[in-house]
Amino acid sequence: DAKTTQPTSMDCAEGRAANLPCNHSTISGNEYVYWYRQIHSQGPQYIIHGLKNNETNEMASLIITEDRKSSTLILPHATLRDTAVYYCIVRVVNFGNEKLTFGTGTRLTIIP
Amino acid sequence: SAVISQKPSRDICQRGTSLTIQCQVDSQVTMMFWYRQQPGQSLTLIATANQGSEATYESGFVIDKFPISRPNLTFSTLTVSNMSPEDSSIYLCSVEVLGVRDEAFFGQGTRLTVV
Repeated sequence: DAKTTQPTSMDCAEGRAANLPCNHSTISGNEYVYWYRQIHSQGPQYIIHGLKNNETNEMASLIITEDRKSSTLILPHATLRDTAVYYCIVRVVNFGNEKLTFGTGTRLTIIP
Repeated sequence: SAVISQKPSRDICQRGTSLTIQCQVDSQVTMMFWYRQQPGQSLTLIATANQGSEATYESGFVIDKFPISRPNLTFSTLTVSNMSPEDSSIYLCSVEVLGVRDEAFFGQGTRLTVV
């Protein structure tokens, strides 16, 4: 799996949009971009994923650059409950048989 | 989706002893994954538990230290053997559910402290 680079930490004011960047310059054509987050003392939780088109769900939006070498996770209206470590992972999709390789992630702190 | 139950949720163990962690999933899955998360660190994959065959271990992890069982498609155990304080970590079980998202689900983890 390709490696990813994320900022170590970020702060965001409550109610504002949180934009979390991720670089994955060596991503392969068949690799997806996945985002998970880990709230303190819990297991990681899926947020969103995409291949090359921008994606949006009830939790977040994912913007992938045209060359697919970077992406941005957007939490549109951050709340205190969004404080967590956010992991950007690139991986192939292999019918449930593919392990996840976690990087160091970004520790996002939402400020009241 | 999948609901994963891990037991115990936490334990304090004496060095030199072993602890077996159980992972129960509410649906049948092909593979189950065991991760370790050392204090303040990210998750590291220990091994993939395959039903009907031996587990596949990642570099740096060996079967003698972390034996794994996978008797059926909904259950797996991870044993941490001959523990030392360096084994103090959170151990997490994970499965993937096929579908639109090919999403991974994680248990709440087992917080192990070795004294």
